[in-house]
Order: sequence, then structure tokens, then C-alpha cells
Amino acid sequence: QKEVEQNSGPLSVPEGAIASLNCTYSDRGSQSFFWYRQYSGKSPELIMFIYSNGDKEDGRFTAQLNKASQYVSLLIRDSQPSDSATYLCAAGTSGYQLIWGAGTKLIIKP
Amino acid sequence: DTGVSQDPRHKITKRGQNVTFRCDPISEHNRLYWYRQTLGQGPEFLTYFQNEAQLEKSRLLSDRFSAERPKGSFSTLEIQRTEQGDSAMYLCASSRNQGAEAFFGQGTRLTVV
Repeated sequence: QKEVEQNSGPLSVPEGAIASLNCTYSDRGSQSFFWYRQYSGKSPELIMFIYSNGDKEDGRFTAQLNKASQYVSLLIRDSQPSDSATYLCAAGTSGYQLIWGAGTKLIIKP
Repeated sequence: DTGVSQDPRHKITKRGQNVTFRCDPISEHNRLYWYRQTLGQGPEFLTYFQNEAQLEKSRLLSDRFSAERPKGSFSTLEIQRTEQGDSAMYLCASSRNQGAEAFFGQGTRLTVV
């Protein structure tokens, strides 16, 4: 059973601080990893994707991938109240579909 | 707007009725996915298409669900004899190819009463 695990939260972070979201995956054949942000009642919105070990930065967001340990993380710097949402991690396998985590609810406190 | 488009946005139906949803993917995206999502859960895979071919269907999916993608463009998802447990957000996503990032439509929220 291929799985992606995330802490459901909520994760509460003060405004301006760094929010750190983590995700582990079970399928060593996973080759691509995605972070989506989902506001309540809305559809998921792609934030970042990463394919290679190491860090990938895009503005306030940094994705980190460690294939040996099978984890992916998302760092959000200078957290804003508008970052409050559920963050979904997904792993793309060598086959066909994305395997999704259940999401981590992030709350940024002003 | 060249994003993924879903129609309708909301659907309320009586138990036992059939419903059909439509998804228009981003043009030139070969892959199209259907997901179902309930509160507090991640998207649950239903089925996906590579062009017009339906390559995978979730084993959890009852025979009441069927999807098509004629000509490899838009797709429809039909639910026959709806049940209250079918109430959920139905999401469509498309991607350029295998392993590429997927982009979601705004979803169709189904309520079965």
C-alpha cells in the first residue's frame, strides 16, 4: 500500500515566523513530489514541486527532499495570515497517479 | 482563462437520481484525473485518462460511477442512483504528462438529499 503521511495539525505559527510542514512517503519509487495549498471549500492550488534531493526555493517557499529518508518538507518564511490553509503533500509514482496525504492545517496567528 | 474548468460548481440532487459532471482540462494536457474529496481528507483518486484512454479506475469505486473522455478533450463523470454517501467535492485535474504537476479545477460540490 503506497502511502503519504502528514501530521493533520493544526500547526499554529506566529505571523512573521517560519512554518515547517513535513511529509513522509512509503514508495521508494516515487520520483516527483508536490505541495498544494487548499483553502476551506476551495480546490487545491499548486505551490511547489520538487524532483531532486536537496532544496528548491521559490519566493517565501522552500521545498526540501530527502529520498534516503523518504521525507519532503515545505518551509514558509515570513508567514502571513493569508498562508493559513491546509497544505497537501503528494507523491508521483513511476506508474500513474499521485498519492496524496490528508493534509496539515496551518494557522498563522497575527 | 486557460485553467481547468468544471461544471456545474454545485449540484443538489435527490437520492436515486443520476448526475453528470463535466471537466475541461488545460489544452494540450494529456492526462486528466478525477478525484473525490470529503472534509478533512486529501483527494481520493477515482480514475484517470491518458488522452482518450481510461488507464486506471480505483478499486474502491462502485459500478455506479463511470467516466469518459471522448476524443481526449473534455471528460464527464456520471454517478448513477446517487446515495447520500456520494456527497462530496468532485475534483478534476490535468497534467501535461506522467509525473508532471497537476492543476485542479474549482470542483463540483455534490449534495445528495
